[in-house]
Amino acid sequence: DIQMTQSPSSVSASVGDRVSITCRASQDINNWLAWYQQKPGKAPRLLIYGASSLQSGVPSRFSGSGSGTDFTLTISSLQPEDFATYFCQQTNSFPRTFGQGTKVEIK
Amino acid sequence: EVQLLESGGGLVQPGGSLRLSCAVSGLTFSSYAMSWVRQAPGKGLEWVAAIGNRGVSTYYADSVKGRFTISRDNSKNTLYLQMNSLRAEDTALYYCAKHFRYADGSYLNYWGQGSLVTVSS
Repeated sequence: DIQMTQSPSSVSASVGDRVSITCRASQDINNWLAWYQQKPGKAPRLLIYGASSLQSGVPSRFSGSGSGTDFTLTISSLQPEDFATYFCQQTNSFPRTFGQGTKVEIK
Repeated sequence: EVQLLESGGGLVQPGGSLRLSCAVSGLTFSSYAMSWVRQAPGKGLEWVAAIGNRGVSTYYADSVKGRFTISRDNSKNTLYLQMNSLRAEDTALYYCAKHFRYADGSYLNYWGQGSLVTVSS
């Protein structure tokens, strides 16, 4: 199985900050990676697919990059509604594994 | 508007069974693969199972293989998860989610609100 490791596990940031979250795969997954945002009590929301494609309706301050084994989700200017937990998921092979999540908290 | 509505969760004793359903509307259900994803209380997301659009191909996490069965009825626009031999560690909120394909990848672009399964004596 492919293991997905996110870092950091949590990050404290202020509104307006640039925040980056990394996700590392235990083997090459090409660019078959998604990023999801989850707020408390809500279902996850797809942000990025194909490592760098922005899902319809997602603000352009979110971006994704990387290929192979190393990927990054960047929020260019953190907004109050962005405080949430973010998960990566590989879709290269089954089982479709998620990273453990990164909680973005208010500083 | 696309809607996914899970049902069938509840309290069950260890070793028991439960069947979850996910009613889908607002799209051509038979065109899309579907997945179940679960989240234990206070924990991260765990992919559980997936099924192809025609119901022929199925895939499972090792943690549920041999105990859970994913299926679908395209005439009823409904996805199912039959869960047998339930364990305490299966306690979680179970989400159904719709796939969409992009450049040979497959991603979860619509999710239900979840159905809570609690396994306890």
